[in-house]
Amino acid sequence: KQEVTQIPAALSVPEGENLVLNCSFTDSAIYNLQWFRQDPGKGLTSLLLIQSSQREQTSGRLNASLDKSSGRSTLYIAASQPGDSATYLCAVRFHNNAGNMLTFGGGTRLMVKP
Amino acid sequence: DTAVSQTPKYLVTQMGNDKSIKCEQNLGHDTMYWYKQDSKKFLKIMFSYNNKELIINETVPNRFSPKSPDKAHLNLHINSLELGDSAVYFCASSQRTGFWDTQYFGPGTRLTVL
Repeated sequence: KQEVTQIPAALSVPEGENLVLNCSFTDSAIYNLQWFRQDPGKGLTSLLLIQSSQREQTSGRLNASLDKSSGRSTLYIAASQPGDSATYLCAVRFHNNAGNMLTFGGGTRLMVKP
Repeated sequence: DTAVSQTPKYLVTQMGNDKSIKCEQNLGHDTMYWYKQDSKKFLKIMFSYNNKELIINETVPNRFSPKSPDKAHLNLHINSLELGDSAVYFCASSQRTGFWDTQYFGPGTRLTVL
């Protein structure tokens, strides 16, 4: 069974700290992996998309890495800010998922304290 | 100029009723999706719809049926609602069904079945 797991489920850090969110997946046959942000009562916003042939992607203070062979991805957030507080979701497109379907992890709820 | 919109935002109804949730995207995308996020915050794909091709997650009960009057709309009909249907339902769209296509999400519809 293809699954995506995110650890930790919740994380609280003081403002300014650098932090790492973890995502693991059970099948290395993937097209790509995507990180999303979800704010309470709102939809998902795509942060970074890493293709299976890539090792990392960067956008501003965010850096996502991918190690397909070990089934892992990390999202690194530099110099965290209170505005970064949200739930971060990792989603994977496995090879045998028809229709561009995403398999999501359970998310990491991040709180950045001022 | 909302990209993906859903109505209603909240829906409270009795068990056994039939209800619909509407989704519209103004991005000119070819593919639309419905996801369900349960009380534990797990997001699971329900349907993928592209150019009249419907791909269904086999775990979805046949009480759920998507209807697409045109390319910009994908509505979700639910018959004989059950308590376990209570969740947040998200609509999403992507340019095509290519594995490189980013999905854009709507704000969600919170369904409560009493």
